[in-house]
Amino acid sequence: EDQVTQSPEALRLQEGESSSLNCSYTVSGLRGLFWYRQDPGKGPEFLFTLYSAGEEKEKERLKATLTKKESFLHITAPKPEDSATYLCAVQAGGNAGKSTFGDGTTLTVKP
Amino acid sequence: DGGITQSPKYLFRKEGQNVTLSCEQNLNHDAMYWYRQDPGQGLRLIYYSQIVNDFQKGDIAEGYSVSREKKESFPLTVTSAQKNPTAFYLCASSPRDFGGNTIYFGEGSWLTVV
Repeated sequence: EDQVTQSPEALRLQEGESSSLNCSYTVSGLRGLFWYRQDPGKGPEFLFTLYSAGEEKEKERLKATLTKKESFLHITAPKPEDSATYLCAVQAGGNAGKSTFGDGTTLTVKP
Repeated sequence: DGGITQSPKYLFRKEGQNVTLSCEQNLNHDAMYWYRQDPGQGLRLIYYSQIVNDFQKGDIAEGYSVSREKKESFPLTVTSAQKNPTAFYLCASSPRDFGGNTIYFGEGSWLTVV
């Protein structure tokens, strides 16, 4: 059974204080690992897709990396508007596109 | 603009009542999904459909039903058999594949039992 564990559950940072969110996964035949941002009361917004170990993707202050067991979402010099819940999900081969989601990390950035 | 539209945003259900959540997409995606999200938790798959007139149960399908008569529409009915329906419901879609395609979400619908 595919499993995704995100840590920490909650993270509070000062504006400008860089940090990382972790997503550990176990899956048979990874087809893709996805990061989403979710604001309160809204649907998840797609951020990145990573397909193979060693892959990295960047968008503004966010950088996602992937190893064979985990993914990190690095946040450099965060701003208050980066406050949100960040969700990680995996898809395995043969699952017809079904995704398994972690419980998310809620990030709060204080000015 | 292309996207996924869910309605209504807020819905109240009385005990013993069935309610239907609407989901329409104009992204020309083959696959559509319904997820449930409870406070502080991740998303759990209710039903998914890879093509028109076909759908499969997800991890928590009991008390729910769906139909897929058109490519762009995938309504979810929350039946009276669902004992704890209060939650945030998310509809999503993706190109049909065997894994690796990004899933895109609508804005969600809040269902509350009164």
